[in-house]
Amino acid sequence: DQQVKQNSPSLSVQEGRISILNCDYTNSMFDYFLWYKKYPAEGPTFLISISSIKDKNEDGRFTVFLNKSAKHLSLHIVPSQPGDSAVYFCAAVNAGKSTFGDGTTLTVKP
Amino acid sequence: DVKVTQSSRYLVKRTGEKVFLECVQDMDHENMFWYRQDPGLGLRLIYFSYDVKMKEKGDIPEGYSVSREKKERFSLILESASTNQTSMYLCASSLGRDPLSEQYFGPGTRLTVT
Repeated sequence: DQQVKQNSPSLSVQEGRISILNCDYTNSMFDYFLWYKKYPAEGPTFLISISSIKDKNEDGRFTVFLNKSAKHLSLHIVPSQPGDSAVYFCAAVNAGKSTFGDGTTLTVKP
Repeated sequence: DVKVTQSSRYLVKRTGEKVFLECVQDMDHENMFWYRQDPGLGLRLIYFSYDVKMKEKGDIPEGYSVSREKKERFSLILESASTNQTSMYLCASSLGRDPLSEQYFGPGTRLTVT
């Protein structure tokens, strides 16, 4: 039973437009959520996070939205840049343990 | 600068061999993790450790063991490698028990078991 799901394996957007990556979870005990970005041949790197007591967190071009009632979070990238092309993982934390989604490959076309 | 290193980027082993994957972090982090990454399955937690000589099973510990004799080093051991353990293995570390603390990942070891 996969507790964290990213239903879109891939997403392609034009440079300058908005990228929206989605993540759904089933365990209501998750109290913290993170997004990681992974380039080929590198380990994932932390991008942005949100606590379950908030519904939005913004850092530059990146904004994460959390809808607890729907058990859904999303990552918005505005404007998208070619350098944003990578695999994006969402992760949900409960009792210090992270559960990851299976990733969405974002391609930003120049 | 934060750094997590893994002993090998690529490794090829035969079925039945004992395999050691080493991970070292230089950030004095308490927590260390081993994941495997497979297409369509994301990152799955194998084992983790909150302190020296402590270890806890993750979601898929079968066929693996770990060792943490020093704070900076966390080893993953495949006692008898099998072909279904062919995967990308990622080590990570994080500071303390704070859930706000993000994990820092190594570059990964791509293991092929033939």
